[in-house]
Amino acid sequence: EPEVTQTPSHQVTQMGQEVILRCVPISNHLYFYWYRQILGQKVEFLVSFYNNEISEKSEIFDDQFSVERPDGSNFTLKIRSTKLEDSAMYFCASSDIGLANDYEQYFGPGTRLTVT
Amino acid sequence: AQTVTQSQPEMSVQEAETVTLSCTYDTSESDYYLFWYKQPPSRQMILVIRQEAYKQQNATENRFSVNFQKAAKSFSLKISDSQLGDAAMYFCAYRSAQGAQKLVFGQGTRLTINP
Repeated sequence: EPEVTQTPSHQVTQMGQEVILRCVPISNHLYFYWYRQILGQKVEFLVSFYNNEISEKSEIFDDQFSVERPDGSNFTLKIRSTKLEDSAMYFCASSDIGLANDYEQYFGPGTRLTVT
Repeated sequence: AQTVTQSQPEMSVQEAETVTLSCTYDTSESDYYLFWYKQPPSRQMILVIRQEAYKQQNATENRFSVNFQKAAKSFSLKISDSQLGDAAMYFCAYRSAQGAQKLVFGQGTRLTINP
C-alpha cells in the first residue's frame, strides 16, 4: 500500500539554525500539507500546496517558514531560523482530489524537531 | 472559522467493554467531512473512520462506529469490545467539502484500556 514517508524521523538543531524537513507524498497525489503538533497539544495546520504554489496557510506559517516541491517526488518544509517554540512533531500529508473525489489525507509518520 | 471541541481529555475503559468519545464542532457550512484519527505512542496519525455530512447513515468500521447528529453538530466515536491495542490519543477532525481544505482538529482524548 502506498504511503507518505518523512525524513529524518528526529532532528535536533540549535536555535537560529535552518532546518529542512523532507516528505515524499504518495506518487499520484496532487495536494500536499504540513501540520505540526507541539507535545501534548492538538495537531495544527500549517500550509497546503497545490500546483507548485501555496493554496492556504495558517497564522503560524510566517516568514520564517517556506515550502517547496523541488522535484517530482519531494515536498519540503524549511524553517529559516529556528526558535525554541518550533520544537514539535511535524506531519506531512497528501491527498488526491481527482475524479474519485478522494478527500482523505494520508499522513506520514512525522519528524520530531527539537530546538535547543 | 470552524472549530472542533473534544470535552474529554481522558477516558478509560475495561478491556472488552464499550466506550464512547465525544466531539462537537461548529460550522456554517452544510457540506463537510468528519474524521476520527488515532495516534498511538509512535505518534503516527491513523485514520479510524470518516463520515460525509450529506449521509444520514452513521459510518461503521468493524468495532468502530460513529453517532453523527448533524443538527446538534455532534460526532461521537463508539469503540466496541475494546482491546489493549486501542489505547491511544483520539482526535476528531473536520474538513470542508470545498476543494483541498485543511483538517481542523480537536484537542484530543487520551484513551486508556484497563486489562
